[in-house]
Amino acid sequence: GENVEQHPSTLSVQEGDSAVIKCTYSDSASNYFPWYKQELGKRPQLIIDIRSNVGEKKDQRIAVTLNKTAKHFSLHITETQPEDSAVYFCAASINQGGKLIFGQGTELSVKP
Amino acid sequence: DSGVTQTPKHLITATGQRVTLRCSPRSGDLSVYWYQQSLDQGLQFLIQYYNGEERAKGNILERFSAQQFPDLHSELNLSSLELGDSALYFCASSPTTGWEGYTFGSGTRLTVV
Repeated sequence: GENVEQHPSTLSVQEGDSAVIKCTYSDSASNYFPWYKQELGKRPQLIIDIRSNVGEKKDQRIAVTLNKTAKHFSLHITETQPEDSAVYFCAASINQGGKLIFGQGTELSVKP
Repeated sequence: DSGVTQTPKHLITATGQRVTLRCSPRSGDLSVYWYQQSLDQGLQFLIQYYNGEERAKGNILERFSAQQFPDLHSELNLSSLELGDSALYFCASSPTTGWEGYTFGSGTRLTVV
């Protein structure tokens, strides 16, 4: 069935370093891949997304890459700041407006 | 404010009871999704409604049910509650066209005692 695996489950970096979170999806029909950031006790918020016809997308310090052949996609955060500390979730969907299947989440801690 | 409204924010109830969680989607969004987030767990998809009709179903227990009304608000009904049902329940909505991600509500924190 549909499944999204996310690694690592926890990630600790020094302020200014880069952080990379990786996800693998099982359904080759998946074609939409958003990333959400969730701060403690708050709602998940969309930070970036990518569609299957694009290999890479960047928004300031955040970038996402997609390898459709390997069914991998990754989130890259450069020049990390303490306010980047949160849980990050990847997700995949097989159609526009369809259900999102989420990964298990990565708790990112950025140490000052 | 995300535009997705969930009520109540907190709910404490006893085992065996029944509760109803409510969600109003963003203006213009026809799809509503319900997710469960248990402690230290990810977001588990429960069910999706589109313009009043069930569109997709996930790992939703038989004790749980949902519906979407003509005004597009949705309700998630949880019955015969167990301690393990304690979780954050999120509602999200999405537009009918365009590749935008979900917008989540602030969630309802359910505690079963």
